[in-house]
Amino acid sequence: AQSVTQLGSHVSVSEGALVLLRCNYSSSVPPYLFWYVQYPNQGLQLLLKYTSAATLVKGINGFEAEFKKSETSFHLTKPSAHMSDAAEYFCAVSGGGKLIFGQGTELSVKP
Amino acid sequence: GAGVSQSPSNKVTEKGKDVELRCDPISGHTALYWYRQSLGQGLEFLIYFQGNSAPDKSGLPSDRFSAERTGGSVSTLTIQRTQQEDSAVYLCASSFPPGELFFGEGSRLTVL
Repeated sequence: AQSVTQLGSHVSVSEGALVLLRCNYSSSVPPYLFWYVQYPNQGLQLLLKYTSAATLVKGINGFEAEFKKSETSFHLTKPSAHMSDAAEYFCAVSGGGKLIFGQGTELSVKP
Repeated sequence: GAGVSQSPSNKVTEKGKDVELRCDPISGHTALYWYRQSLGQGLEFLIYFQGNSAPDKSGLPSDRFSAERTGGSVSTLTIQRTQQEDSAVYLCASSFPPGELFFGEGSRLTVL
């Protein structure tokens, strides 16, 4: 069965600092992996997805993620945090036609 | 409509009452999903409809929960005899597989 673990329920960074949100997956088949973002009082929005093409995936708002099969990881990064990046971020893996989500990581950005 | 539409956006009910939550998916999307989002619990899968196939109900937490999808479009999630632990945001999403899921803004349920 597929599953996802997000390390750290809350991450705080300073504006301009590197953002690193960690995601590890478990999958019995080559996975499709996703990062979604949820801004306060809004629905979820796709940031980026990995579907077995390039291992480095670029998404919206300057975010990117690298698929590392050997580490079963799909960590999300952004070189320089902006105040508007404050939100909750969810990693997900496809399984049985649906997405299995992690517990989410809340990102805070300090001025 | 342009996106996934859910109603009501907020529902307050008393323990023991039944509630119905509605989801209007994006036109043409064959797959429809319900998730539950509770504080500190992430996104919990509830049920998944794909075309005319039998739904995947493996995430429904109890037999008080049920869902149907009429005409391959609109879906209703029903919770019978609500309990306080049912309080959460219920999210609906639709997709045209294997494309991305598009989410609605959710229905916030509060059980007093």
